[in-house]
Amino acid sequence: GEDVEQSLFLSVREGDSSVINCTYTDSSSTYLYWYKQEPGAGLQLLTYIFSNMDMKQDQRLTVLLNKKDKHLSLRIADTQTGDSAIYFCAESIANTGNQFYFGTGTSLTVIP
Amino acid sequence: GAVVSQHPSRVICKSGTSVKIECRSLDFQATTMFWYRQFPKKSLMLMATSNEGSKATYEQGVEKDKFLINHASLTLSTLTVTSAHPEDSSFYICSAGLQRGGRNEQFFGPGTRLTVL
Repeated sequence: GEDVEQSLFLSVREGDSSVINCTYTDSSSTYLYWYKQEPGAGLQLLTYIFSNMDMKQDQRLTVLLNKKDKHLSLRIADTQTGDSAIYFCAESIANTGNQFYFGTGTSLTVIP
Repeated sequence: GAVVSQHPSRVICKSGTSVKIECRSLDFQATTMFWYRQFPKKSLMLMATSNEGSKATYEQGVEKDKFLINHASLTLSTLTVTSAHPEDSSFYICSAGLQRGGRNEQFFGPGTRLTVL
């Protein structure tokens, strides 16, 4: 099966930037996504990037994709306490019928 | 738009009983819905893919007779945990698939916390 890996924990100080990393193994991904999950809640789509792009910026969020290294990152600028959550990367792969493969999740803690 | 609801949000049941969880797409039609299970501090494990009007496709290791999935309409899929046991306690999340601008998206429900005593 597809392996999507993330580091488990990240702590940053309020106001600093956070960078959450994700690596994957299947090179036939079409889109890659970042989701946010707050405690006891479902997943909220934050942003996505098409696999032939290498960067996408959306307000405080910057997604970088290195397709050669199969590495995806999410940078959150000016991190706030409300950003504390678990962040999942996910990829959709061509010809899998809209199936997503999720990373292991990174728990982000923002220290006031 | 693209809101998905789940009901109930929390359920506590006795061992041996069955529990039904509903997943509804409120403002769009979803040909495909997905059921995930999430253990504490773990990622989402895809249990099954549910297509409207046909049998669900279960992932390896998921017992289809224990986790019954019905996708009777384009806006409703149900997951029934039959003869629940304490090890079935978990957070169950559904999602509904939608194609937008050539891109596949999944919209997630808020999840159902199942506790089996």
